[in-house]
Amino acid sequence: AQKITQTQPGMFVQEKEAVTLDCTYDTSDPSYGLFWYKQPSSGEMIFLIYQGSYDQQNATEGRYSLNFQKARKSANLVISASQLGDSAMYFCAMRPYGNNRLAFGKGNQVVVIP
Amino acid sequence: DVKVTQSSRYLVKRTGEKVFLECVQDMDHENMFWYRQDPGLGLRLIYFSYDVKMKEKGDIPEGYSVSREKKERFSLILESASTNQTSMYLCASSTKAGSDTGELFFGEGSRLTVL
Repeated sequence: AQKITQTQPGMFVQEKEAVTLDCTYDTSDPSYGLFWYKQPSSGEMIFLIYQGSYDQQNATEGRYSLNFQKARKSANLVISASQLGDSAMYFCAMRPYGNNRLAFGKGNQVVVIP
Repeated sequence: DVKVTQSSRYLVKRTGEKVFLECVQDMDHENMFWYRQDPGLGLRLIYFSYDVKMKEKGDIPEGYSVSREKKERFSLILESASTNQTSMYLCASSTKAGSDTGELFFGEGSRLTVL
């Protein structure tokens, strides 16, 4: 079974600064995908970024980038130039290739302050 | 615009009532999922379905059942609601594993309160 760990307490971030959200995972599967989702206070889950375990490059999507360190089993999300609309819960998730299930971490709360 | 639609955003039920949570997706996805979200616990998988009439238990299936009679629709059933089932319920869908990244598309959630 996969285990996803997000242990940071709630974070306050100054607008326009960068923030890094930590995620570590534990799996015995050799191939897997890593995901980050955003959940604002309205409740919907928004897909942000995906990283495949065999991808050579770290994934980037606009202001989001994923700092993937396979040997350390970490997949940290970096949000650059924070905006007030980035205030939300952020969830890290993982799915082994060929497996339908996505396992989630417990989330990180981020509050962006002006 | 592709969508996962959950029938109710907010429900209030009494202990012992039978509760149906409905979810419909318009993306022709093979997989559909029901998650429960509680503060400090993240998202926990209740059940998922990988095809019509097919289902698999997730991590916390006790007290729940599901139904998938049509590809686009996945229902979560609480046969006899209890107060510890008060929670946010999230439905999601995805393509089958291996066909692409397999990201989940979520509905807006159904917040259930059991009194």
